[in-house]
Amino acid sequence: NAGVTQTPKFQVLKTGQSMTLQCAQDMNHNSMYWYRQDPGMGLRLIYYSASEGTTDKGEVPNGYNVSRLNKREFSLRLESAAPSQTSVYFCASTRTVLSGANVLTFGAGSRLTVL
Amino acid sequence: GQQVMQIPQYQHVQEGEDFTTYCNSSTTLSNIQWYKQRPGGHPVFLIQLVKSGEVKKQKRLTFQFGEAKKNSSLHITATQTTDVGTYFCAGTNAGKSTFGDGTTLTVKP
Repeated sequence: NAGVTQTPKFQVLKTGQSMTLQCAQDMNHNSMYWYRQDPGMGLRLIYYSASEGTTDKGEVPNGYNVSRLNKREFSLRLESAAPSQTSVYFCASTRTVLSGANVLTFGAGSRLTVL
Repeated sequence: GQQVMQIPQYQHVQEGEDFTTYCNSSTTLSNIQWYKQRPGGHPVFLIQLVKSGEVKKQKRLTFQFGEAKKNSSLHITATQTTDVGTYFCAGTNAGKSTFGDGTTLTVKP
């Protein structure tokens, strides 16, 4: 059972280049999320998808786009990378337990450096 | 918007000492979750608290949810080197979760 799989694990870009981070989950979860984590900071939500066919902005959506390709896959695209987007990116998906709260299962992360 | 503050940011302890991290929300929460992230790893779910005043234990870890459902704490008794990492709380309100900035624990053998 793979859980949440992210690719690539590492990427170095030059300013202005574009790239897509891929995420897939095999747990039949409805909701998927993209977070970024900067040193000494918590996880900040970029975009999320509550269900297949829907996407919504999180706290820090500027400079990113997302696609919920199907129930399993949720991709994050940087159209024109900037040094401020150097970060570790985590994809997560949720299952619902007990009172309906969402417990997040995270992928291993994608470390992106923009020069 | 909802804010979740977590203190301290860093904690260095000698192995065997206790450790506590605190989480405070600007709004009343429907639930709170705790996650652990090992160095170089990804956050892993530890526990969820839902009820006012709830206390849960996992071996040496004790989790509490405040009576007003606006604060929570994680206490580790007699830390071990395997406890190192960053502990995050995540508060949920109106279906949205907000993470604290985490407390990074280092344990000196």
